[in-house]
Parts: sequence; structure tokens; C-alpha cells
Amino acid sequence: QVQVVESGGGVVQPGGSLRLSCAASGFTFSTYGMHWVRQAPGKGLEWVAFIRYDGNKEYYVDSVKGRFTISRDNSKNTLYLQMNSLRPEDTALYYCACWAPGGSYWGQGTLVTVSS
Amino acid sequence: DVVMTQSPLSLPVTLGQPASISCRCSQSLVHSDGNTYLNWFQQRPGQSPRRLIYRVSNRDSGVPDRFSGSGSGTDFTLKISRVEAEDVGVYYCMQGTHWPQTFGQGTKVEIK
Repeated sequence: QVQVVESGGGVVQPGGSLRLSCAASGFTFSTYGMHWVRQAPGKGLEWVAFIRYDGNKEYYVDSVKGRFTISRDNSKNTLYLQMNSLRPEDTALYYCACWAPGGSYWGQGTLVTVSS
Repeated sequence: DVVMTQSPLSLPVTLGQPASISCRCSQSLVHSDGNTYLNWFQQRPGQSPRRLIYRVSNRDSGVPDRFSGSGSGTDFTLKISRVEAEDVGVYYCMQGTHWPQTFGQGTKVEIK
């Protein structure tokens, strides 16, 4: 059974840092590209970042370039999002997700709140 | 970035009646590999999103056949042939052809 579990969210002051983790199981993690998608409270979905299955290519939305870094450890079936220089507008529920043949895998999300 | 514009943003529907959501893109979604990477996602209240449709018209596993996707180039449509109570939620189109990938604003489907 597929499981995707995000962790690492919390309350942080503007300018601070957080590292999100996403533990995946039940599918061959090392063969899939992985995404981070966020959803601000009461708002729509925003795609944030992608990393190729082997970790050798990354893409970001412009608003997080230079501040966020996506990475993965295929030996641990874990995806990460290092978030630096956080801003109030980064406040959101952060989902880890995978678009797989025949479906998509999503976690329940981890909430990041940037506030002083 | 590719801008995805959905309409309507709110869609009240009578149970058993059809529903249609439009998604227009600011540039063609035809990839250099010949595929068109246009997906539709559903987010029910209080739940994580799930993909319904990939590459314009392919239903994901377990998605009822009352859901269908169509379109090409820059104009795409999601149709629900007969709306059921479990279809209440927000529907998003999303393009995966160009980086960064982008979502539409979402269309909220509710029962009249």
C-alpha cells in the first residue's frame, strides 16, 4: 500500500529556515520524479518544485528560486525541501506528490507558518 | 510562465446533471515529444488532491467513467456526465509541458 508522509512543518519567523521531509513507501520511489506542491490557507494549489528520479535535475517556481532546495535520498525513500529566507507568503500546507502511471500519490501535507 | 485560466470558478450543479469546466492556457501545451501534458486534479473538502485525468483525456485508475477530458493546444475541458454527491470539491487543471509546472485557479463544484 502506497504511503506518503510529510513532516517538518511548524511556525518560523520571517527569514528563518525549515527542512521538510517526505517518507515514501509502497512504490519504487527511486524510479519516480517527485514534486512539492503547496496550498496557502483557503487558496488554490501552487506547484513549488520537482526533482528527477535520480536527483540530477531540479526545477522551481520563480518565487522560491534561490531560497528553496529540493533533494532526495533514494536509499531512504525520502524527499526533502530545504526552505531558507522564509517569507510570510510561504505560509501554506506543503504536499509531497508523485505523478505515477495510473494515478498520483499525495501525502496529507505538513503546515508551514511564517509569522513573527 | 504558462498561465492557466479556468472557468467558471464556481459551478453549482443539480445532482444527475452534467457539468463542464474549461481550462485555457497562455501557450500551447504540445511538448517537443509530441505529447500534451495537461492533467486534471480533484480536491474534495478536507482531503489531499488526486489526479483524475492525465495527458488530456486519460483517466487514472479508479476514476469513474463519468469523468472525461478533451481538448488540444491551448483549450481543454473536463466534463462530468452526471454529477454525484461525491463529486463536490475543487477541480484544477495543471500543465506539465513547460517549467515551472502551473495550476489553474480551481473551479468549485457544489450541489444546488
